[in-house]
Amino acid sequence: DTGVSQNPRHKITKRGQNVTFRCDPISEHNRLYWYRQTLGQGPEFLTYFQNEAQLEKSRLLSDRFSAERPKGSFSTLEIQRTEQGDSAMYLCASSAPGTNIQYFGAGTRLSVL
Amino acid sequence: AQTVTQSQPEMSVQEAETVTLSCTYDTSESDYYLFWYKQPPSRQMILVIRQEAYKQQNATENRFSVNFQKAAKSFSLKISDSQLGDAAMYFCAYAYSGAGSYQLTFGKGTKLSVIP
Repeated sequence: DTGVSQNPRHKITKRGQNVTFRCDPISEHNRLYWYRQTLGQGPEFLTYFQNEAQLEKSRLLSDRFSAERPKGSFSTLEIQRTEQGDSAMYLCASSAPGTNIQYFGAGTRLSVL
Repeated sequence: AQTVTQSQPEMSVQEAETVTLSCTYDTSESDYYLFWYKQPPSRQMILVIRQEAYKQQNATENRFSVNFQKAAKSFSLKISDSQLGDAAMYFCAYAYSGAGSYQLTFGKGTKLSVIP
């Protein structure tokens, strides 16, 4: 059990560029979550997968955001045409079947210049 | 919509002393879970303690315990015998049992400093 892994840890991009983040959950965890955390705030829910199915999306997840979890393993979060307001820490979490305890990764910090 | 409020942006405690972090929440549901997560600087968030709303007994994990007052919608965290490693951001979180996702709603956090 190596924990939830997120890559990259830091991403600096220019406004208007596309970025993609990756999350590798703990092995055998069927649930996967994405959250966004801005400075001085708690994390806010973005989206949820059970296996490969994306079952919930927050209103925070605009059309520029897309998430996938092919084959129910790793997940990617893509932001198209980034804006300065997208600058935040993007956190991934996973949980095992039959439990609601979420294990978090260290996050990807996005800075949009 | 559910909301979680942490009214103490910052707290400090002397090493070996006890400190209590406050959390209130608002929900119309009766079946839910409450959590305290710890986020050390530049490190991932880890679960400190979990409380099931239908259990009256307060959860305890070693030096960490909660005071869960369901009617008052209050969920405070007590840290006993504080250690330097307890210094971190602490987030209170809520999850509704009826939502299949158990997505977490977080408060804004309390920054805890431990004074040697």
